[in-house]
Amino acid sequence: EVQLVESGGGLVQPGGSLRLSCAASGFTFRLHWMSWVRQAPGKGLEWVANMKQDGSEEFYVDSVKGRFTISRDNAKNSLYLQMNNLRAEDTAVYYCARGEWFHFSYYFDYWGQGTLVSVSS
Amino acid sequence: SYVLTQPPSVSVAPGKTASISCGGNNIGTQRVHWYQQKPGQAPVMVIYYDSERPSGIPERFSGSNSGNTATLTISRVEAGDEADYYCQVWDSDSEHWVFGGGTKVTVL
Repeated sequence: EVQLVESGGGLVQPGGSLRLSCAASGFTFRLHWMSWVRQAPGKGLEWVANMKQDGSEEFYVDSVKGRFTISRDNAKNSLYLQMNNLRAEDTAVYYCARGEWFHFSYYFDYWGQGTLVSVSS
Repeated sequence: SYVLTQPPSVSVAPGKTASISCGGNNIGTQRVHWYQQKPGQAPVMVIYYDSERPSGIPERFSGSNSGNTATLTISRVEAGDEADYYCQVWDSDSEHWVFGGGTKVTVL
């Protein structure tokens, strides 16, 4: 059974930093793209970042470029999101999701339960 | 970047059919994926690649995509289908992954 368990969320002041982790199990982690998707309170889903299987490619939504860094440790079956210079608008539940490419299209086939990040003074 | 437009809400009586639209410029040339999110829960994929159903998703869920509109159809709606539904595409031009704003389905 595929499982994705996020951790590391919490309350942080504007300008502060947090590192989210996602522990994966039930599948061969090193064979899959992985993603972070967030959801602000009462709002819709927003893709944040993706990383290729070997870490050689990464993509970010424009609003987090230069502030967030996605990374992975295939030996530990773990995905990370380093978030720096946090803003109030980064407040959201952050989901770890497994990605799948299918005929030149990418979807998120499994999701974790999410971890809440609150940015406030 | 690419924009996906969904109606904020759809209401449907039990046993009837719900249709949720997802509009985008020439979306028929894209591959569209759909997610269901119940209150307090993580999203679950219900349709991928326009019309493919993952294992475990009831046959009542189906999808289509043509022209400027993709559609998720839920037949014989049940109370347990009440949720938010999101469409999603990969925009190759911007190399961004895009979600629609979401549609809240209410079962009357």
